[in-house]
Amino acid sequence: GESVGLHLPTLSVQEGDNSIINCAYSNSASDYFIWYKQESGKGPQFIIDIRSNMDKRQGQRVTVLLNKTVKHLSLQIAATQPGDSAVYFCAEIPGGATNKLIFGTGTLLAVQP
Amino acid sequence: NAGVTQTPKFQVLKTGQSMTLQCAQDMNHEYMSWYRQDPGMGLRLIHYSVGAGITDQGEVPNGYNVSRSTTEDFPLRLLSAAPSQTSVYFCASSPTWAGSQPQHFGDGTRLSIL
Repeated sequence: GESVGLHLPTLSVQEGDNSIINCAYSNSASDYFIWYKQESGKGPQFIIDIRSNMDKRQGQRVTVLLNKTVKHLSLQIAATQPGDSAVYFCAEIPGGATNKLIFGTGTLLAVQP
Repeated sequence: NAGVTQTPKFQVLKTGQSMTLQCAQDMNHEYMSWYRQDPGMGLRLIHYSVGAGITDQGEVPNGYNVSRSTTEDFPLRLLSAAPSQTSVYFCASSPTWAGSQPQHFGDGTRLSIL
């Protein structure tokens, strides 16, 4: 599996700013993508998902964008709050009749007050 | 509903010991899975089950066994623990085995093998 060693990519933002977390996925046949948030000591928590037939999906303060041409996924968080500080993972389901998730390595979002 | 419940939360083992990590869900979900998470890495799939009586291997199955005798429970067994199995283990479930459904995770078991 992929690895960036012991150090996660980190995004540091000021409270109230917008955050953009990026993810490159590997399988062009993947047809479902999910963003998870993981707080310290907790399991991953579902944030938002998107199917491959969509380019954009919005939730409450979050937007996911999918660019299938370059196999890129992004999570935008509006008006970032201290409670948004966590590790964010993108995950893909490689298509077909399966629910096997393939996770990215994660990005640490640090919100400065 | 309690969701996905994992026990124990923490465990320390000696090399060669055996242990079972418990996972239970009360949502009547068909699909259950086990992942391990190592520092600085995403979660990697160990084993999964699409329903009672059916299990299959994931990305990193070696050293682990599973069974699914009921819909609710999906225990993970380490038959002879090795230091390389030191990790945080997460159990997850979703309504069915089909894609396009987010999985719900437990809060993990932190396992150290000495």
